[in-house]
Amino acid sequence: GAVVSQHPSRVICKSGTSVKIECRSLDFQATTMFWYRQFPKQSLMLMATSNEGSKATYEQGVEKDKFLINHASLTLSTLTVTSAHPEDSSFYICSARGLAGVHEQYFGPGTRLTVT
Amino acid sequence: GQNIDQPTEMTATEGAIVQINCTYQTSGFNGLFWYQQHAGEAPTFLSYNVLDGLEEKGRFSSFLSRSKGYSYLLLKELQMKDSASYLCAVVDSNYQLIWGAGTKLIIKP
Repeated sequence: GAVVSQHPSRVICKSGTSVKIECRSLDFQATTMFWYRQFPKQSLMLMATSNEGSKATYEQGVEKDKFLINHASLTLSTLTVTSAHPEDSSFYICSARGLAGVHEQYFGPGTRLTVT
Repeated sequence: GQNIDQPTEMTATEGAIVQINCTYQTSGFNGLFWYQQHAGEAPTFLSYNVLDGLEEKGRFSSFLSRSKGYSYLLLKELQMKDSASYLCAVVDSNYQLIWGAGTKLIIKP
């Protein structure tokens, strides 16, 4: 099946710094990328949806200036957590959707962010 | 509003059968997914139902009743490795995934 990679898989950063997470679709073109956040023992929470070449659409309550999303190509999207705080510590998962739509949607392995 | 309900936690015995239910109320319906998620990992695809009925895939089966807004995931011959969270997700009229909170399945020897 299709593969979506995320990098890094784990990152620890100090409060106030910024962290960039990359999401790549390795063998298909991702017209849409989704970024999720998951807190322990909770389900996935959609943060934003991005289409290649256009601005991301953020869900209510998600600060677009804090969580910068760039979808520069059909195979790469990045999420930058700016001025990170301990409460931003979470599991971040990207999902890439291809031309076939929801039937061609695959998840990355996730990035565990810990802000100290 | 949109709502998906699943039990929070279930416990079953190795070798047995367990059924995880999911009920939904969404704006439109374009299919229902079941995903398995082990702790610290991303969800992995298990099944997709868009028509009523039972879909069988090895030890796992998924059932859908659109008129009742109801689905279940049936796991047979449970193995210890099946201990995980099982997420129900519905595709709404905008082709967005609406996620349930997940059911944590605990398998005991």
